[in-house]
Amino acid sequence: EAGVVQSPRYKIIEKKQPVAFWCNPISGHNTLYWYLQNLGQGPELLIRYENEEAVDDSQLPKDRFSAERLKGVDSTLKIQPAELGDSAVYLCASSLKSGGAVFFGPGTRLTVL
Amino acid sequence: GQQLNQSPQSMFIQEGEDVSMNCTSSSIFNTWLWYKQDPGEGPVLLIALYKAGELTSNGRLTAQFGITRKDSFLNISASIPSDVGIYFCAGDYSGNTPLVFGKGTRLSVIA
Repeated sequence: EAGVVQSPRYKIIEKKQPVAFWCNPISGHNTLYWYLQNLGQGPELLIRYENEEAVDDSQLPKDRFSAERLKGVDSTLKIQPAELGDSAVYLCASSLKSGGAVFFGPGTRLTVL
Repeated sequence: GQQLNQSPQSMFIQEGEDVSMNCTSSSIFNTWLWYKQDPGEGPVLLIALYKAGELTSNGRLTAQFGITRKDSFLNISASIPSDVGIYFCAGDYSGNTPLVFGKGTRLSVIA
């Protein structure tokens, strides 16, 4: 069974540029998460989807971050415009349902110059 | 927000030694998860615990869900070089809330 797929794995952009990350969760997993991981820290939730509905986006900086999961399967996270402080690893994860075991993808390492 | 205290922050051990790390929470959790993260990769789920007192093993790894539901530990027996990495605990205090992560324990194994 395929795990959570993310692309790209690495992205380097200049500040003020837009960037987008894509995630395909494990097949059959209704819950999808986007996490942010800074160096030396544990992952922190940005947004959680139940199917196509964003049920927890309280930690998403909505002035520059947006996300969508239109058909309840794959998802895109966008940053526009990117700032230097956005440099981090962006992890996508999925679970069968909220409260169950959460499986992570390999992450996208973003560097903003 | 919820806080998880994970300790120790880092460990240096000899190959073959046993390792123990733990997490404590200020709140009661319904689920405890333990992950290992290698450089450049996402966290990989090692063990999931769903009941207070539950003791679960996965090969040389053993984890327990504390009776108070506010703590959990992970033991690794007979460590080997590939055990090197960062181990994270994570907890969920409600089925409708996101996982809260500890800051990780960085394990180094000296051959």
